Amino acid sequence: SQQGEEDPQALSIQEGENATMNCSYKTSINNLQWYRQNSGRGLVHLILIRSNEREKHSGRLRVTLDTSKKSSSLLITASRAADTASYFCATDQGAQKLVFGQGTRLTINP
Amino acid sequence: DTGVSQDPRHKITKRGQNVTFRCDPISEHNRLYWYRQTLGQGPEFLTYFQNEAQLEKSRLLSDRFSAERPKGSFSTLEIQRTEQGDSAMYLCASSPGVLAGGLILREQYFGPGTRLTVT
Repeated sequence: SQQGEEDPQALSIQEGENATMNCSYKTSINNLQWYRQNSGRGLVHLILIRSNEREKHSGRLRVTLDTSKKSSSLLITASRAADTASYFCATDQGAQKLVFGQGTRLTINP
Repeated sequence: DTGVSQDPRHKITKRGQNVTFRCDPISEHNRLYWYRQTLGQGPEFLTYFQNEAQLEKSRLLSDRFSAERPKGSFSTLEIQRTEQGDSAMYLCASSPGVLAGGLILREQYFGPGTRLTVT
């Protein structure tokens, strides 16, 4: 079964706008990771945030982590058409495997 | 291309047949994972190898499923007596694991997947 829930399940915005996706999880974690999946393809690792970190940046990506609320958010700034994809959060509970959420399907309209 | 590769990319089989998928991880990665993904869902963990040792298996991995990594390099996933419920994307991923100095890198690098359709 899957660990957490992502919100919203689908998001459609205009190019240039910011996109925010949220992820909630249930158990203690070592780290939380975000992945992107283009339609019918494999997953691409975007960013990892450790349990003792609260915020991390990578290019146009900003990830926050609130372990007290067991939640994380992914912000994509200045969105582009190429950002259209599904985005998944995945928790690493220290048992090597990743436990994925159901994903947010992001559509960027030109 | 030095990424994770999977073969075949697509497989259509009839119910009851056996299928085998192959995964070639990034060459210096000692950890290898198999996941299954159904439409509209996130990947679900199936099994994990550290070198040639299979260290964890999900309860999703029924007796009809078997995975091997005989020389600690490529891995195979076999499904015997396929059922329509086995239709899914099967994803392989690898990660470096423990590096010299004890640093553990936990990012996983995914292959393009094998899409299985059981008719």
